[in-house]
Amino acid sequence: GEDVEQSLFLSVREGDSSVINCTYTDSSSTYLYWYKQEPGAGLQLLTYIFSNMDMKQDQRLTVLLNKKDKHLSLRIADTQTGDSAIYFCAETRITGNQFYFGTGTSLTVIP
Amino acid sequence: DGGITQSPKYLFRKEGQNVTLSCEQNLNHDAMYWYRQDPGQGLRLIYYSQIVNDFQKGDIAEGYSVSREKKESFPLTVTSAQKNPTAFYLCASSIGSVAGGLAKNIQYFGAGTRLSVL
Repeated sequence: GEDVEQSLFLSVREGDSSVINCTYTDSSSTYLYWYKQEPGAGLQLLTYIFSNMDMKQDQRLTVLLNKKDKHLSLRIADTQTGDSAIYFCAETRITGNQFYFGTGTSLTVIP
Repeated sequence: DGGITQSPKYLFRKEGQNVTLSCEQNLNHDAMYWYRQDPGQGLRLIYYSQIVNDFQKGDIAEGYSVSREKKESFPLTVTSAQKNPTAFYLCASSIGSVAGGLAKNIQYFGAGTRLSVL
């Protein structure tokens, strides 16, 4: 919860790139994840990155990890109206298998 | 298809009543979790279970109870002691702790149950 922070809202125009940011505090993070939640639905895993990696690309999604600054970002290229949703970052730590979620960023794509 | 099924999708609770939310998974996962989601607050962990017949309290366990008698099932009871139960409840499962937590341990989520008070 409070150890993983995200901004609450982001608006972008259709076709632009979106960048959703996340900061975390625990240096023992092992994996970091991005989930997408559409209205009234559960969370869907988008992508994840191991903590010793700097970048991961998967089609329109690019994840950047700055371990020194404990900063994670998700870039969505060519954002579409279907990308409008809440995006959560999450981490797991070396101490166990609990997930620690951010507060979620609500992305609105303007046609 | 493998996955996690939560039921019902919508649930209404009368004052003083206990209600039970169902969560079933056929992913053969050891670990299961219950989260509560309130607007603007992200997900808060209620209870989790790493193995059958064992479970631990999360951050907001007061007013809730769980059981884990079968690997596939992790029901959550919202008791009358929970004074503000209106929320969206999400169940998740994962393969469980592997190699001391160093392996990725992706959580898979159900579609959620929305609980309201009458």
